[in-house]
Amino acid sequence: NAGVTQTPKFQVLKTGQSMTLQCAQDMNHEYMSWYRQDPGMGLRLIHYSVGAGITDQGEVPNGYNVSRSTTEDFPLRLLSAAPSQTSVYFCASSWGGTVDGYTFGSGTRLTVV
Amino acid sequence: AQTVTQSQPEMSVQEAETVTLSCTYDTSESDYYLFWYKQPPSRQMILVIRQEAYKQQNATENRFSVNFQKAAKSFSLKISDSQLGDAAMYFCAYRSGYGGATNKLIFGTGTLLAVQP
Repeated sequence: NAGVTQTPKFQVLKTGQSMTLQCAQDMNHEYMSWYRQDPGMGLRLIHYSVGAGITDQGEVPNGYNVSRSTTEDFPLRLLSAAPSQTSVYFCASSWGGTVDGYTFGSGTRLTVV
Repeated sequence: AQTVTQSQPEMSVQEAETVTLSCTYDTSESDYYLFWYKQPPSRQMILVIRQEAYKQQNATENRFSVNFQKAAKSFSLKISDSQLGDAAMYFCAYRSGYGGATNKLIFGTGTLLAVQP
């Protein structure tokens, strides 16, 4: 049971480049989300999905796209990377409406130069 | 909208001593859950303890316990017999109990705990 798998673990991009952060879970969780973590700001929600085919914006969605074609996968796309997107990104999944905590991936450290 | 506030950016404790991390939250909902997550230098997010709002009894997990004051909207974490491995960033988080689009996990800004030998 792998839990939540995030790839890559580290990435350096040049300004203007695009890329996709991959996230997959094998727990059949209905709810998946992407967070970014910046010093002094905690984790802020970028986008989330309550099920396959359903996505919505979180607190800081600008510059990011998501899709959810299957229950297992929830990729995050950076359309045109900017230095302000330098951050650590976490994917997380859970069952909805329960006391169960989220299961987090191991994170991706992204640097945009 | 719900908010979570951690007013202590950094804390320090001596090994084997007890430390309490503070967290307050704001919500108009009656059904919700509260969590404490630990993030060690490895970056992994680890669930430490959880509390259901409708339960009056404070949650306990080994050396970790919470003081849940619903009326005051306070949810502090007490770590007893602190160990070197407890050194980490600790995040308080809120989650609505109503599911669907309200299922988001809302985090505080974190408290960095140092454990002195």
